[in-house]
Amino acid sequence: DGGITQSPKYLFRKEGQNVTLSCEQNLNHDAMYWYRQDPGQGLRLIYYSQIVNDFQKGDIAEGYSVSREKKESFPLTVTSAQKNPTAFYLCASSIGGAGGAYEQYFGPGTRLTVT
Amino acid sequence: GNSVTQMEGPVTLSEEAFLTINCTYTATGYPSLFWYVQYPGEGLQLLLKATKADDKGSNKGFEATYRKETTSFHLEKGSVQVSDSAVYFCALRRSDSWGKLQFGAGTQVVVTP
Repeated sequence: DGGITQSPKYLFRKEGQNVTLSCEQNLNHDAMYWYRQDPGQGLRLIYYSQIVNDFQKGDIAEGYSVSREKKESFPLTVTSAQKNPTAFYLCASSIGGAGGAYEQYFGPGTRLTVT
Repeated sequence: GNSVTQMEGPVTLSEEAFLTINCTYTATGYPSLFWYVQYPGEGLQLLLKATKADDKGSNKGFEATYRKETTSFHLEKGSVQVSDSAVYFCALRRSDSWGKLQFGAGTQVVVTP
């Protein structure tokens, strides 16, 4: 089955530690995205990547970093500089390119708790 | 800039009631419009979409019509079930955008037996 996997589902870290969230897709999509979701709120875009070896900051990139070395993978690192990292993180992918009604496909999410 | 406005929740309904979730948008050109659903603790799933004015998207008994004149994309279902309890997100993709979506804040729906 094609889809997006995120691991782990729950992640606990101590304050001051960096942590990397995994996102893998086998949909052969060019574009990938990371969102943050806080309780009762919508999705905020952290980073996105249109193609391998390229990525762009979203609306709330401070304190986060990404890499895109392979088409299938787009890991997100939450650094110690992120002031409020506890949240639900969602990864998504889509067919890239301008125009069209290409929807985004989402992974199951990772709930990160930092204490 | 682009924006999506949804009615605030929670919306609480009895089983078999009629559901409407309002969604209006601001965007230049002719965006594509989407409704996503999120069940507790899960990622988002695409529910339906529409790509041009007067298009009607439908899936699992849900419908939404792309209204250019009122810049709206309201979600409706004629008879809800307890299993429809979830958070619903309206989103748009600009016609000149390569892939980024603009999401509304989400509307929580609670259906009671």
